Amino acid sequence: SQKIEQNSETLNIQEGKTATLTCNYTNYSPAYLQWYRQDPGRGPVFLLLIRENEKEKRKERLKVTFDTTLKQSLFHITASQPADSATYLCARMNTGFQKLVFGTGTRLLVSP
Amino acid sequence: SQTIHQWPATLVQPVGSPLSLECTVEGTSNPNLYWYRQAAGRGLQLLFYSIGIGQISSEVPQNLSASRPQDRQFILSSKKLLLSDSGFYLCAWSVMSGQQETQYFGPGTRLLVL
Repeated sequence: SQKIEQNSETLNIQEGKTATLTCNYTNYSPAYLQWYRQDPGRGPVFLLLIRENEKEKRKERLKVTFDTTLKQSLFHITASQPADSATYLCARMNTGFQKLVFGTGTRLLVSP
Repeated sequence: SQTIHQWPATLVQPVGSPLSLECTVEGTSNPNLYWYRQAAGRGLQLLFYSIGIGQISSEVPQNLSASRPQDRQFILSSKKLLLSDSGFYLCAWSVMSGQQETQYFGPGTRLLVL
């Protein structure tokens, strides 16, 4: 089956550092991967999408990479701030109907 | 702009009682609609999705059902709730743009079954 795996442990970093979150997928490469942010008690919010043929994509302080050899996507937040503290979800699109498969998410905690 | 509404925000129900959660979308036509459940500390589990009025697909067998009586309305129901139905229920919508699809989530309903 096509799965998404994320580290379930909380990532603790200091303000100003770069946070790096990992998303691994199984089986064949999806057409694209997406990253969402979820705050406690709220619905996920879309952040970035990266296609299979794109190695890297940036949006302000965010950067996402897609490595089809490692079957992995990395999500970076540079110059992290306490406001970046949240759970970050990775998702892949599976074939057939438009169904996204989400990872369990990685919680990021940025300390001042 | 598009908005998605869910209600109620919080619900406490006894075991065996019925359930009805409603989701509506504004500002878009013929969206794909989804119901997810998120248990504490776990990922999003897709429950139902719909590509049009009256077209519902179920992902996980359970005592829940979904209906889409109107283009932008999606309802999640149960005749008899179980303790295991407790969780955070999220509705989402999407529209395919080319080959890619982004989902937009509602604020969620937190359900506690006692």
